[in-house]
Amino acid sequence: NAGVTQTPKFQVLKTGQSMTLQCAQDMNHEYMSWYRQDPGMGLRLIHYSVGAGITDQGEVPNGYNVSRSTTEDFPLRLLSAAPSQTSVYFCASSYSGTGVYGYTFGSGTRLTVV
Amino acid sequence: RKEVEQDPGPFNVPEGATVAFNCTYSNSASQSFFWYRQDCRKEPKLLMSVYSSGNEDGRFTAQLNRASQYISLLIRDSKLSDSATYLCVVNYNNDMRFGAGTRLTVKP
Repeated sequence: NAGVTQTPKFQVLKTGQSMTLQCAQDMNHEYMSWYRQDPGMGLRLIHYSVGAGITDQGEVPNGYNVSRSTTEDFPLRLLSAAPSQTSVYFCASSYSGTGVYGYTFGSGTRLTVV
Repeated sequence: RKEVEQDPGPFNVPEGATVAFNCTYSNSASQSFFWYRQDCRKEPKLLMSVYSSGNEDGRFTAQLNRASQYISLLIRDSKLSDSATYLCVVNYNNDMRFGAGTRLTVKP
């Protein structure tokens, strides 16, 4: 099915470990983004990309890196995991960052850092 | 102060009731506005965009008041399937800011 695919769905990391959350879309969307969702705080934008080779920081970028080498893929790297990064992570894509076409979200990655 | 603020609820209403949610935003230069729906432990999904003139989609009506920086969502004739968390979303220059959501439970 067309859409946004995130892997893994669940992950437990130890403090200090690094990992990459994968995100792929097959809708030829130019805009992709990563959010984290914490209880009572809503989704917060980590990084976004308006096209291959272009990335920018969102509201909470510290501790995360991204790259966009292809239109389809937008991986999120945790450099040195901390308990404060325990959260649910959503990848989203759209034809445009303005949101007027709606964002399509992946099903999420539930990350626990111990 | 949060950029997008919503009453977290929960709103517990009987089937057939009319319920309204409100949202305020702090950035007066915000460009576009939306309501998303999120079911428990699922990803958010676009419910509807919000236009200055107000817009309706079936049982759902959205209103925007730019002067007061206020957005609303009205649900008429509530169904059990409307139970979810409703997220108010505001966009400025490719930066979509989400409210924390309002939880709605529709009971038989």
